Amino acid sequence: NAGVTQTPKFQVLKTGQSMTLQCAQDMNHEYMSWYRQDPGMGLRLIHYSVGAGITDQGEVPNGYNVSRSTTEDFPLRLLSAAPSQTSVYFCASSQSTGTLDTQYFGPGTRLTVL
Amino acid sequence: AQKITQTQPGMFVQEKEAVTLDCTYDTSDPSYGLFWYKQPSSGEMIFLIYQGSYDQQNATEGRYSLNFQKARKSANLVISASQLGDSAMYFCAMREGTYSGAGSYQLTFGKGTKLSVIP
Repeated sequence: NAGVTQTPKFQVLKTGQSMTLQCAQDMNHEYMSWYRQDPGMGLRLIHYSVGAGITDQGEVPNGYNVSRSTTEDFPLRLLSAAPSQTSVYFCASSQSTGTLDTQYFGPGTRLTVL
Repeated sequence: AQKITQTQPGMFVQEKEAVTLDCTYDTSDPSYGLFWYKQPSSGEMIFLIYQGSYDQQNATEGRYSLNFQKARKSANLVISASQLGDSAMYFCAMREGTYSGAGSYQLTFGKGTKLSVIP
């Protein structure tokens, strides 16, 4: 049982490049989400999904796309990378949307955009 | 208005002493959950403890306990018998229960408290 996995761990992009951050969970969780963490701030929600085929925007969605074709996978796509997207990205999942459903986090991807 | 406020950017505690990390929250939703996460220097987010808005008793999990004062909207984390390995960033977070459009069911985080345990 690997929990929540993310790849890659580190990535450097040039402005304008695109890439996909991968996230997978093996706990059969319905709810998956992407957060970004910037220095001196807590985590902010980018996009989330309440099940396969269902996604919605979070607090800071601009510049990112998501899709969820399976329960297990929830990739995050950067369409045209900008320096403002330099951040640490965390994927998280929980059993459902319940208030007591703990969200478990992946190890994070540290992204630098030059 | 901030939904989660952590007023202590940094704290020091002597090894084996207890420490309280403050967290206040703001919500009008009657159903919510409060969570604490630990982020060591390695970067991962580790779940520590949670409290539901309807729970009558304070949550405990080993050396961690949550001092939940609903009327004051506070959910302080208490770590007993601090250890060197407790040195980390600690984040308080809230999850509200009612669908309210974009961003529903998210964890809303505070800015964190950096705890340093002194030998």
